[in-house]
Amino acid sequence: DSGVTQTPKHLITATGQRVTLRCSPRSGDLSVYWYQQSLDQGLQFLIQYYNGEERAKGNILERFSAQQFPDLHSELNLSSLELGDSALYFCASSATSGYNEQFFGPGTRLTVL
Amino acid sequence: QKEVEQDPGPLSVPEGAIVSLNCTYSNSAFQYFMWYRQYSRKGPELLMYTYSSGNKEDGRFTAQVDKSSKYISLFIRDSQPSDSATYLCAMGVGGSYIPTFGRGTSLIVHP
Repeated sequence: DSGVTQTPKHLITATGQRVTLRCSPRSGDLSVYWYQQSLDQGLQFLIQYYNGEERAKGNILERFSAQQFPDLHSELNLSSLELGDSALYFCASSATSGYNEQFFGPGTRLTVL
Repeated sequence: QKEVEQDPGPLSVPEGAIVSLNCTYSNSAFQYFMWYRQYSRKGPELLMYTYSSGNKEDGRFTAQVDKSSKYISLFIRDSQPSDSATYLCAMGVGGSYIPTFGRGTSLIVHP
């Protein structure tokens, strides 16, 4: 158990809908990362937050947004969902924004029908 | 061409075999290299991290980096069924703490 929790485990929704994925980092970790994992693209970095501030952005679509709250939990919002958004979404946390091992949560499996 | 190439497998070996997992990369600026293990329905976990060319050993695992060939390997000695998982290589540029991941190789170790 990495200490990172993600909810929900599974999410099934329809095209055009909006969903929110939630992540609680390990106790004491200030940095949260969001990744998308699909069979054809592998693990793709989406966005990083450090202590409430956006720190780095990757291949995140404009339809997706994220935030980190004062208690350090983070939410990833996905809107106007398309079939191609079906994937595993992972959250990871690390102690700082610099190099530290990233600890991954168990993921949320999103299925868009 | 992707920055990091990794054969998805699956690679099936008998218990006790030596396993070799490999990645090639195109970005010569990559300075640090990692291997993650991902069990089915779990998140990736870091196995090995190295910053330089050469070998790094940790128990049954050896990570090898050849920067001149842009090629990294992970060797698993005396493989066990519990090693069955997907292995992802990852690498990054110094100063950037967001690595680029390979697609992962699925390893099956059968008793």
